Amino acid sequence: GAGVSQSPSNKVTEKGKDVELRCDPISGHTALYWYRQSLGQGLEFLIYFQGNSAPDKSGLPSDRFSAERTGGSVSTLTIQRTQQEDSAVYLCASSSSINQPQHFGDGTRLSIL
Amino acid sequence: GQQLNQSPQSMFIQEGEDVSMNCTSSSIFNTWLWYKQDPGEGPVLLIALYKAGELTSNGRLTAQFGITRKDSFLNISASIPSDVGIYFCAGQLKGSGTYKYIFGTGTRLKVLA
Repeated sequence: GAGVSQSPSNKVTEKGKDVELRCDPISGHTALYWYRQSLGQGLEFLIYFQGNSAPDKSGLPSDRFSAERTGGSVSTLTIQRTQQEDSAVYLCASSSSINQPQHFGDGTRLSIL
Repeated sequence: GQQLNQSPQSMFIQEGEDVSMNCTSSSIFNTWLWYKQDPGEGPVLLIALYKAGELTSNGRLTAQFGITRKDSFLNISASIPSDVGIYFCAGQLKGSGTYKYIFGTGTRLKVLA
């Protein structure tokens, strides 16, 4: 597609379950970023990829959070043993290179019951 | 996590009025980006700034990269109802060894017809 695609758009799950969020960047974009946005708040950086490697994962809140990117394209963000405080919108963005502006998907709204 | 100081937090204005918002930091940035976010959607890029002192326009929007590299402002002229939304600044730190972006806390704009 033309833009960044994220799936699912909404996810409701029970506390303690694992969830996987997917991001399809714009074709040809080498840089990919993950952010978390809590209700009414700004964007909190989680991790970014340059190709398949993650030079900065300093924003991941705990070791329950992990992300990978394969083939320089699709990325998945995994949250293990979800907690209620993990409820937020998870946004993905991509850019043609690390110095170029990011373009965002519409996010995955995650609700932990 | 790190965030930029963005002001005002929110503003109500009359249709046709001009709007100004800004972001400041104690750190030096290589790049400033301005985004607009509508409810339920990801942020959309408005303007990108790359050089100190740079002044760039996009229709009714004008943004400037501060000469000290520590601040940026966004102006909207002759506001219309569809300007409603949340505006975010984002900066990429200079010499930090990472290409992550830090986001401002957002300015919520409401336009009264």
